Amino acid sequence: DIQMTQSPSTLSASVGDRVTITCRASQSISNWLAWYQQKPGKAPNLLIYKASSLESGVPSRFSGSGSGTEFTLTISSLQPDDFATYCCQQYNSYSYTFGQGTKLEIK
Amino acid sequence: QVQLVESGGGVVQPGRSLRLSCGASGFTFSTYALHWVRQAPGKGLEWVAVISSDASDKYFADSVKGRFTISRDNSKNTLYLHMNSLRTEDTAIYYCARDGRNGDYGGWFDPWGQGTLVTVSS
Repeated sequence: DIQMTQSPSTLSASVGDRVTITCRASQSISNWLAWYQQKPGKAPNLLIYKASSLESGVPSRFSGSGSGTEFTLTISSLQPDDFATYCCQQYNSYSYTFGQGTKLEIK
Repeated sequence: QVQLVESGGGVVQPGRSLRLSCGASGFTFSTYALHWVRQAPGKGLEWVAVISSDASDKYFADSVKGRFTISRDNSKNTLYLHMNSLRTEDTAIYYCARDGRNGDYGGWFDPWGQGTLVTVSS
């Protein structure tokens, strides 16, 4: 199975900061990568699919990049509503795995 | 709007069975693959199973293969997860999720239901 390694596991930042979260795949997954935001007690919410495609309705301050084994999620200017847990997810041959998550905290 | 609503969770003893349901509305149910994804308390997300739009293809995570089955009733817009030989490590919130691509496997999940909690305990 393909393993996804996400870093950092925790990130402290302030409103207005630019932050980047990284996800590495144990083997190439082309651009079959998605990013989700999850808030406590809620289901995950899709932000980015196919590595860099912004889901409809998601603010443009969110962006994704990468291909192969290295991927990043960037939030250009943090807003109060963005403090949550972020998770990457890969798809390969009818198998899907998630990163362990990055908790984005207020500094 | 697109909505998925899970039901059927609860407390069950190890070795017993449970069936989860996921009712869908707001989209053409019969044209999308559907998934189950779970999250153990305080842990990350784990994909469980997927079923194709016409139920001809089904795939499972190794951790549940041979114990869980997935089915759907396109006439009732309902997805099911049949869980047998339950173990304490199956304790989790179980989410149903629509595949991101209409008519094929897109590789991402959108949207998700609100989840139903399954607790396996003696």
